[in-house]
Amino acid sequence: DTGVSQDPRHKITKRGQNVTFRCDPISEHNRLYWYRQTLGQGPEFLTYFQNEAQLEKSRLLSDRFSAERPKGSFSTLEIQRTEQGDSAMYLCASSPGTSGGLSYNEQFFGPGTRLTVL
Amino acid sequence: AQTVTQSQPEMSVQEAETVTLSCTYDTSESDYYLFWYKQPPSRQMILVIRQEAYKQQNATENRFSVNFQKAAKSFSLKISDSQLGDAAMYFCAYPKRGSQGNLIFGKGTKLSVKP
Repeated sequence: DTGVSQDPRHKITKRGQNVTFRCDPISEHNRLYWYRQTLGQGPEFLTYFQNEAQLEKSRLLSDRFSAERPKGSFSTLEIQRTEQGDSAMYLCASSPGTSGGLSYNEQFFGPGTRLTVL
Repeated sequence: AQTVTQSQPEMSVQEAETVTLSCTYDTSESDYYLFWYKQPPSRQMILVIRQEAYKQQNATENRFSVNFQKAAKSFSLKISDSQLGDAAMYFCAYPKRGSQGNLIFGKGTKLSVKP
């Protein structure tokens, strides 16, 4: 399977604990995105990598959140001191670079990691 | 702020019938892309169809087509000959202005297909 994969698929943790999620993008894609999706809402952008460089972060990404993509391949998203409000589905997506002068950004999504903070 | 509005939280269609999901958006860009994504109950989101705003012709992908009204900033999705496998959440989205393509999504429309 050459799609985007995420691990774990489900995570239950207690408030105050740290959690880390992993995303493996499609191998030839140099762009990687993290989104958060809460119940009844569409995904909301968190952060974006071009290769190993983190180029954009949303205001949703508080200082308890950190993301890395050390070698421009897989990425990790860590949440420190989790809060109940962090409970959500965390989606990873990847895409190839732009095509032509207009940014055409077909993103391929992984299955997500569902986080439940008790 | 750039926004995407999907005014139909839920829709229902009979199998083999046609259904239209609505979407309006707000952007000051003249050239951009618009997308419809499908999220089945298994939760993995897949791209259904895309529209390039500078193209006047509406995009079509098999049973899926769009009605793109640029002046009205409207981008509806028509599903013809609905099938049970079409049951899912459908999200309208477009890239945020000035971003590297990070997408702004609507809240989604839950489509049910009745046999």
